Amino acid sequence: GGIITQTPKFLIGQEGQKLTLKCQQNFNHDTMYWYRQDSGKGLRLIYYSITENDLQKGDLSEGYDASREKKSSFSLTVTSAQKNEMAVFLCASSGGCAETLYFGSGTRLTVL
Amino acid sequence: QQKVQQSPESLIVPEGAMTSLNCTFSDSASQYFAWYRQHSGKAPKALMSIFSNGEKEEGRFTIHLNKASLHFSLHIRDSQPSDSALYLCAVSLASSSFSKLVFGQGTSLSVVP
Repeated sequence: GGIITQTPKFLIGQEGQKLTLKCQQNFNHDTMYWYRQDSGKGLRLIYYSITENDLQKGDLSEGYDASREKKSSFSLTVTSAQKNEMAVFLCASSGGCAETLYFGSGTRLTVL
Repeated sequence: QQKVQQSPESLIVPEGAMTSLNCTFSDSASQYFAWYRQHSGKAPKALMSIFSNGEKEEGRFTIHLNKASLHFSLHIRDSQPSDSALYLCAVSLASSSFSKLVFGQGTSLSVVP
């Protein structure tokens, strides 16, 4: 079986700071995603990538950038951290449309 | 834009009870329906999925889908304390080309001994 590794597990930053979250998968999946989960709530899609060097905006992309440098990795950058975006950021991958999503354990963001 | 709503928001049931969780969606063209479970502090994991109208059973878990009423549900027979988790439903539009999953806001389930 494969695994999704997110780093760091906890990220603390100052308001206005640029912060980067990283995700690696060894499933050899084509599609990767970044979701945001606010305190026990559902998941909102920030960015997704269908293949290497592809980027697609989700419903919550404002204030974020993403990068898919290679098939196995997908990074998310918070361009200017705000206190109202303290949340858990979840990375996922899938083999294609209507396939099961496999999630990482998340990065918890705290903004001081 | 697809809207996915779950009810109830939270639920407490005794061990051994039948638990029913509901999900409604707004787009009648939706093709793929799934339930995910997330234990506290852990990654969400896929439980079950369904494409066509009807029912699908896997162990203690059953999905019902009624596309005409824009509704699907998850039923847990003989609920166990280990079933305590956040349950997320998810819906996708396409079955033959890429389409992203839209998640509901979740139902928090507590099964008490």
